[in-house]
Amino acid sequence: DADVTQTPRNRITKTGKRIMLECSQTKGHDRMYWYRQDPGLGLRLIYYSFDVKDINKGEISDGYSVSRQAQAKFSLSLESAIPNQTALYFCATSDPGQGPLQHFGDGTRLSIL
Amino acid sequence: QKEVEQDPGPLSVPEGAIVSLNCTYSNSAFQYFMWYRQYSRKGPELLMYTYSSGNKEDGRFTAQVDKSSKYISLFIRDSQPSDSATYLCAWDNYGQNFVFGPGTRLSVLP
Repeated sequence: DADVTQTPRNRITKTGKRIMLECSQTKGHDRMYWYRQDPGLGLRLIYYSFDVKDINKGEISDGYSVSRQAQAKFSLSLESAIPNQTALYFCATSDPGQGPLQHFGDGTRLSIL
Repeated sequence: QKEVEQDPGPLSVPEGAIVSLNCTYSNSAFQYFMWYRQYSRKGPELLMYTYSSGNKEDGRFTAQVDKSSKYISLFIRDSQPSDSATYLCAWDNYGQNFVFGPGTRLSVLP
């Protein structure tokens, strides 16, 4: 089984819908991250969490919210989806004792019509 | 100026070629310098990292960092079709913020 699991892998939805993307990890890491990836723009940080009680905004948090339900679970919500949120979304984890190493899930491809 | 700029690609080379991938950055606070590899429909995986100027070698891969010029490179020797992927340069700002370049897509043709 994958260490970092994202669900769903693919999602097509309509403008205005509420969407939740989920991430779970078996690495035992405290730090978790949500990124979006767009062609030509690379990975951009949406939110990150250094433990269950710590949530921080990243570079592009507007229009998104997150919930850290447990050490192993970090979910990303789009309260009212819009077409320019169509992208590939990645969850990642890290352990500060391992330097800059981040472990990524295989992504959720989200299309908003 | 963008915080990170990377050769846009895509890049196609024949098997066995030497590949050079390059990035520049503007933030002097970056501590770690990294290269991630991303295969199609997969998440990025860390390939190499360093925190000092100079070269770091790992098999066919060499990462080169020049802090004075704010420039990093990844060299791939004897490139293989299995090296076909998107390569992302990345920086860590003391664990507070990972910054990624836009990526260069590489195709190694048999």
